Amino acid sequence: IVLTQSPGTLSLSPGERATLSCRASQSVSSSYLAWYQQKPGQAPRLLIYGASSRATGIPDRFSGSGSGTDFTLTISRLEPEDFAVYYCQQYGTSRGLTFGGGTKVEIK
Amino acid sequence: EVQLVQSGAEVKKPGESLKISCKGSGYNFASDWIAWVRQRPGKGLEWMGIIYPGDSETRYSPSFQGQVTISADKSTNTAYVQWTSLEASDTAIYYCARHELAYDYDGIGTPGRGWFDPWGQGTLVTVSS
Repeated sequence: IVLTQSPGTLSLSPGERATLSCRASQSVSSSYLAWYQQKPGQAPRLLIYGASSRATGIPDRFSGSGSGTDFTLTISRLEPEDFAVYYCQQYGTSRGLTFGGGTKVEIK
Repeated sequence: EVQLVQSGAEVKKPGESLKISCKGSGYNFASDWIAWVRQRPGKGLEWMGIIYPGDSETRYSPSFQGQVTISADKSTNTAYVQWTSLEASDTAIYYCARHELAYDYDGIGTPGRGWFDPWGQGTLVTVSS
């Protein structure tokens, strides 16, 4: 399953709402999709699993939604620490976990 | 606290061998799958494979099958990935991560169907002549 993330770069100001898209080449079974945040020089951090369940310690300004082939990560109000690269990952098939190419959220 | 600590950066020449490690703590290391993920410079994430330290069952991404060997030693809570002959294209940061399984309605979790949490800090491998 190929995951396509859009846009490639999102330029926003602190306090604004960010909407990131992840589209799959075929349906992701059981909404088996996760989102990660990666800051420069750091390892990725799990934000969302099961398309909409927040990982432990993740602020509620992060939310995930979607099913089938279209998934969305929403950051309701951007904080300075939220500017980073975000990746989606599908795990709907054991034949191959795949990641999207990433969306960079940068300060406008 | 669940923690994965990886070995330090490596600089190698093409053709050399290498083994990097990932040591887990704060949980029952033998009972959870560990994954390895590659990130080439300036690029995205690529899943390499997973291992169950309890019995060393291993599953590889087709892209990495035959290219690397993933192993684990449950007595030392450590997982490894090794290369027998490095190439310049192996230059990347390599991350280990605990692989959490997604359980279906029937309570069955399938290795390879799950997410990654937490992650190690990464090991930079540079291959250059």
